[in-house]
Amino acid sequence: DAKTTQPPSMDCAEGRAANLPCNHSTISGNEYVYWYRQIHSQGPQYIIHGLKNNETNEMASLIITEDRKSSTLILPHATLRDTAVYYCIVRVSSFGGSYDKVIFGPGTSLSVIP
Amino acid sequence: EAGVAQSPRYKIIEKRQSVAFWCNPISGHATLYWYQQILGQGPKLLIQFQNNGVVDDSQLPKDRFSAERLKGVDSTLKIQPAKLEDSAVYLCASSPDRDLYNEQFFGPGTRLTVL
Repeated sequence: DAKTTQPPSMDCAEGRAANLPCNHSTISGNEYVYWYRQIHSQGPQYIIHGLKNNETNEMASLIITEDRKSSTLILPHATLRDTAVYYCIVRVSSFGGSYDKVIFGPGTSLSVIP
Repeated sequence: EAGVAQSPRYKIIEKRQSVAFWCNPISGHATLYWYQQILGQGPKLLIQFQNNGVVDDSQLPKDRFSAERLKGVDSTLKIQPAKLEDSAVYLCASSPDRDLYNEQFFGPGTRLTVL
């Protein structure tokens, strides 16, 4: 089973910030939080990942709570092209270390509305 | 940089027939993944290769599914014989190293319809 829970769907007005929540209450100390998105009829696309500090890149920001039991993906200015299913995943990242399976849940279907 | 290539993009077969999918990962990527995505669900990992060795195939239905990765580059996934419940999108992904940053690059997928 996926280690994360997400709302099944959300709407966001175009140009506004989209805040997508994710709960991962059983996360371990060495598990990272990853976000991917999947636009209709395409393969998933990596967005961002983090361990315990907030992260920002050209696509989005990731805010992780201090206890690491939840996180929020922020798309600062949502466009129609951001309409997609967003997946929150936790897994170990350790170069040459132990292997952990990537498990996708059903994700959050984000609809950006004009 | 060229992305992950998959073929065919679409395939329609009848149950009990056989089918094969092909994947060409990004050049230099050591790890290759095959996922099955049923409509309305997230992708489910079927098999993971590290170079040409299998790292994880615990969710691969081995009585009908098989996969190989020749010379640690291209990979094929085969279903023989197909069942109705195999209708899904089959995604191939690759990553440059087994765990480093865990960014997986996905191909466009092959949509399989079993009638």
